[in-house]
Amino acid sequence: DTEVTQTPKHLVMGMTNKKSLKCEQHMGHRAMYWYKQKAKKPPELMFVYSYEKLSINESVPSRFSPECPNSSLLNLHLHALQPEDSALYLCASSPTGRGYTFGSGTRLTVV
Amino acid sequence: AQKVTQAQTEISVVEKEDVTLDCVYETRDTTYYLFWYKQPPSGELVFLIRRNSFDEQNEISGRYSWNFQKSTSSFNFTITASQVVDSAVYFCALSEARRGNTPLVFGKGTRLSVIA
Repeated sequence: DTEVTQTPKHLVMGMTNKKSLKCEQHMGHRAMYWYKQKAKKPPELMFVYSYEKLSINESVPSRFSPECPNSSLLNLHLHALQPEDSALYLCASSPTGRGYTFGSGTRLTVV
Repeated sequence: AQKVTQAQTEISVVEKEDVTLDCVYETRDTTYYLFWYKQPPSGELVFLIRRNSFDEQNEISGRYSWNFQKSTSSFNFTITASQVVDSAVYFCALSEARRGNTPLVFGKGTRLSVIA
């Protein structure tokens, strides 16, 4: 299995909702990443997990809460989001800095 | 600090023309990796190539070729005989190789439109 699987592919949520994005990989990669990509912009790093521990948080607002319950799974919990949080959320994994595998992303719309 | 600069925001070419996408990078590390990704309208990031800092050989893959020059900190990408299917946003990216959890840093991307 050489893929990173992200679910759901599309999500529409209200500003008072709580939802979660899920990312899964079975390649044995010990580093996992969340990126946020707004329209016509490059992906921007949000979080890095290394060996299931949060190693980088790029000053992301607390309404985004990451979780890494095991070495294969990465979640992003969403609560009280704003319309400007609408974006494509990309998950990636890597064994080292030599290669990255990206999921196909979750397109999030906050209404 | 790392930085990747793609000075061309948008490029438009007619089908069958050759096109070069520029990428200039900055890093203090002596060991690093450079990447190119393609992002079609569907959104997924498609990996095209990885090059490590010790390998300055140019590479060709079909209609795609890459020119890596450490002396000018550039890693340019050329598409020969462009096709409509090449229309996409192309990102150049950089990672440090020292640490296992090093994130990928992207340039702003170049939007390529190939017109039939």
